[in-house]
Amino acid sequence: DGGITQSPKYLFRKEGQNVTLSCEQNLNHDAMYWYRQDPGQGLRLIYYSQIVNDFQKGDIAEGYSVSREKKESFPLTVTSAQKNPTAFYLCASSIRGYTGELFFGEGSRLTVL
Amino acid sequence: DAKTTQPTSMDCAEGRAANLPCNHSTISGNEYVYWYRQIHSQGPQYIIHGLKNNETNEMASLIITEDRKSSTLILPHATLRDTAVYYCIGYNAGGTSYGKLTFGQGTILTVHP
Repeated sequence: DGGITQSPKYLFRKEGQNVTLSCEQNLNHDAMYWYRQDPGQGLRLIYYSQIVNDFQKGDIAEGYSVSREKKESFPLTVTSAQKNPTAFYLCASSIRGYTGELFFGEGSRLTVL
Repeated sequence: DAKTTQPTSMDCAEGRAANLPCNHSTISGNEYVYWYRQIHSQGPQYIIHGLKNNETNEMASLIITEDRKSSTLILPHATLRDTAVYYCIGYNAGGTSYGKLTFGQGTILTVHP
């Protein structure tokens, strides 16, 4: 079945460590996105990529980094510069960057101790 | 993109229609109205979208007023599995928000037995 796979589902890290969240899609979608969700809040866009080898900052990119070396993969690194990294992270993809119909993964919950 | 306003929460009896309102009085002529839902601790799921005309798919119906300042998402026969947070989003693919969806706090719909 086609879809988006995020891993790990749960992740615990010590303060000051970088962590990388994986996102893989087999939908042959051009565009991919990373969102962050805090408890009781809506989603906020971290980074997005409309095509391989290209990505743009979203609304809250500080303390995060991404790469898009392959069409199907869009990993997110939460760096030690991110002041409040504990959150629920959601990856999504869309067939093209201009559509509002996004397909989301199941999310990765990061807890920094 | 247009700012949308939704009630914080709503209740519905199982088997009855759930009507979720959304105000988007500042929506521009080429902005679409998108609806997503998010079941607890899962990724959001696309439901439906529309521009001017009413739309229907296997999940729901979308009624947009003639002046496009508000819309209603209708789940015709709500089930317990429809309990979720529902997001109404204004999106203009050709504008400055290209590739970015803004998720607010949405409406918490609770379906009761």
